[in-house]
Amino acid sequence: SQQGEEDPQALSIQEGENATMNCSYKTSINNLQWYRQNSGRGLVHLILIRSNEREKHSGRLRVTLDTSKKSSSLLITASRAADTASYFCATVNGLSQGAQKLVFGQGTRLTINP
Amino acid sequence: EPEVTQTPSHQVTQMGQEVILRCVPISNHLYFYWYRQILGQKVEFLVSFYNNEISEKSEIFDDQFSVERPDGSNFTLKIRSTKLEDSAMYFCASRGTAHGYGYTFGSGTRLTVV
Repeated sequence: SQQGEEDPQALSIQEGENATMNCSYKTSINNLQWYRQNSGRGLVHLILIRSNEREKHSGRLRVTLDTSKKSSSLLITASRAADTASYFCATVNGLSQGAQKLVFGQGTRLTINP
Repeated sequence: EPEVTQTPSHQVTQMGQEVILRCVPISNHLYFYWYRQILGQKVEFLVSFYNNEISEKSEIFDDQFSVERPDGSNFTLKIRSTKLEDSAMYFCASRGTAHGYGYTFGSGTRLTVV
């Protein structure tokens, strides 16, 4: 089964710096999504990129997708203390029909130091 | 903005007891999911539900687990005889559109089996 793997597993940066997290996956996808999870809380959808898209922006977020390398990156610019959280990529299999489950990666724990 | 609501937020139960986790998906959504996250680990797919039946289930979703949509609004996950290893955060999600878009997650139920 496909599996998203993020790197790094943990990232600690100073407030105001940019944070880049990467995700790799194994099989063809329909789309790739990024989620944020504050400690002990629920999953918040951040951004979705379709398999035919290469880059997408939303506010301070920039997502890229390289289907030839089966990888994606999430860039958070001008980081803030409130960005401290775990970030997960999740993929929808390109061949799946019906309910189309999300398959999550291991996540990157991001810490923004004031 | 529409939300997926999960109750209770935290449940403690004794090993061997039955638990029912409840979810109210977004009203016009058609696809429903349960995921779980063991502390510190990634989010794992349990089951998807569409048109009043299970669409797909993972290896985790064994005979101890069942799902129901009893009244057209609630979506429940039942664990018949809980084990210590069932302790996790359980997330409900729903989706209304096709092609893997538009997932909304609830804030989760933290299940602790003692």
